[in-house]
Amino acid sequence: GDSVTQMEGPVTLSEEAFLTINCTYTATGYPSLFWYVQYPGEGLQLLLKATKADDKGSNKGFEATYRKETTSFHLEKGSVQVSDSAVYFCALTRPYTGNQFYFGTGTSLTVIP
Amino acid sequence: NAGVTQTPKFQVLKTGQSMTLQCAQDMNHEYMSWYRQDPGMGLRLIHYSVGAGITDQGEVPNGYNVSRSTTEDFPLRLLSAAPSQTSVYFCASSSRTGGEETQYFGPGTRLLVL
Repeated sequence: GDSVTQMEGPVTLSEEAFLTINCTYTATGYPSLFWYVQYPGEGLQLLLKATKADDKGSNKGFEATYRKETTSFHLEKGSVQVSDSAVYFCALTRPYTGNQFYFGTGTSLTVIP
Repeated sequence: NAGVTQTPKFQVLKTGQSMTLQCAQDMNHEYMSWYRQDPGMGLRLIHYSVGAGITDQGEVPNGYNVSRSTTEDFPLRLLSAAPSQTSVYFCASSSRTGGEETQYFGPGTRLLVL
């Protein structure tokens, strides 16, 4: 079945460090891939998405590239800020399946000044 | 637009009690879902709906009931609460747009079952 695996946390970085959070997926066909972010005490917010192979999603300095050959969608940011401290979820859905989203377990990021 | 709203924000129940978690959206989305979030397990789909009058089970439906009488509302009912249902519950909605659905989440309901 469809599934998402993302790197275990927690991750602690100093401000301005480079961030990578790994995400790999298993799915039939051509899923759409997402990164969601959850700030403390809040619901999930869409960070970025990509809907086909080789697409790059980007937002707020974060990027992720849909790699079908390695079934991956790793999240990167060149210089993290304290305000990026949150939990990050990788997710997928296959087109025309309605609400059949599959989420990873989440990776907690803490950025220290 | 208020987006997706959920009530209550926090609830304490005793084992065996029943309650309804409310969810509403004002974006005219066809799809709505309920998830539970537990430490180390990410979000798991409980029930979902692809339109008014249509619901289906997700990954962890046992102990929960849903109905969808209007496009806007999608309540989740706990029939007889158990400690295993202690969790944070999120409602989400999305539109049917050519297979590129993006889900919009509510702020969550934190439930404690004693």
